[in-house]
Amino acid sequence: KQEVTQIPAALSVPEGENLVLNCSFTDSAIYNLQWFRQDPGKGLTSLLLIQSSQREQTSGRLNASLDKSSGRSTLYIAASQPGDSATYLCAVRRMGGANNLFFGTGTRLTVIP
Amino acid sequence: DTAVSQTPKYLVTQMGNDKSIKCEQNLGHDTMYWYKQDSKKFLKIMFSYNNKELIINETVPNRFSPKSPDKAHLNLHINSLELGDSAVYFCASSPNGGAILGSGANVLTFGAGSRLTVL
Repeated sequence: KQEVTQIPAALSVPEGENLVLNCSFTDSAIYNLQWFRQDPGKGLTSLLLIQSSQREQTSGRLNASLDKSSGRSTLYIAASQPGDSATYLCAVRRMGGANNLFFGTGTRLTVIP
Repeated sequence: DTAVSQTPKYLVTQMGNDKSIKCEQNLGHDTMYWYKQDSKKFLKIMFSYNNKELIINETVPNRFSPKSPDKAHLNLHINSLELGDSAVYFCASSPNGGAILGSGANVLTFGAGSRLTVL
């Protein structure tokens, strides 16, 4: 059974710092991995999606990497801003079958002005 | 325009009651989902419908009954509510969830969530 873990559970950084969020999964037979952002009252926003054949994806100040063999993904946020404060979730989609995402418990990020 | 909208946003009710949460998407997606987020922020899939047909039904009590009148709507009805049903329920949609397609088909769009509190 697929288990997704995110460390740390919470992280506080001063504005302007670069930071890395970690995600690990137990079953490497995944189709893709997504990083989401969750804001209170605003639901989930998809940030980046990495296919299993890819190593990384970039969008603006965000860079997500994937090492499928070791069951790890990282989300790198450059030059953090207070507006980046949110909970970040990673989710993996299993091979075959329907679109079933397994979510981690998230990392709560606070960027201090 | 909101892409995936859920109503109500907040719902407080007594144990034993029956309640519904509605979800609508205006993205033209074929697949819709219901996820439950518990107090530990862990998201678990409950149901998935593709073109009004049930394709995922995880281990969920049969007190939970999804209904999809058309592919733009997936409503969640809950009978005989229990304290443990208190959670935030998220609706989501994707272009197609039934087959392995290109990257664009796998991106889920989520609603804002519906916080259910059972007293």
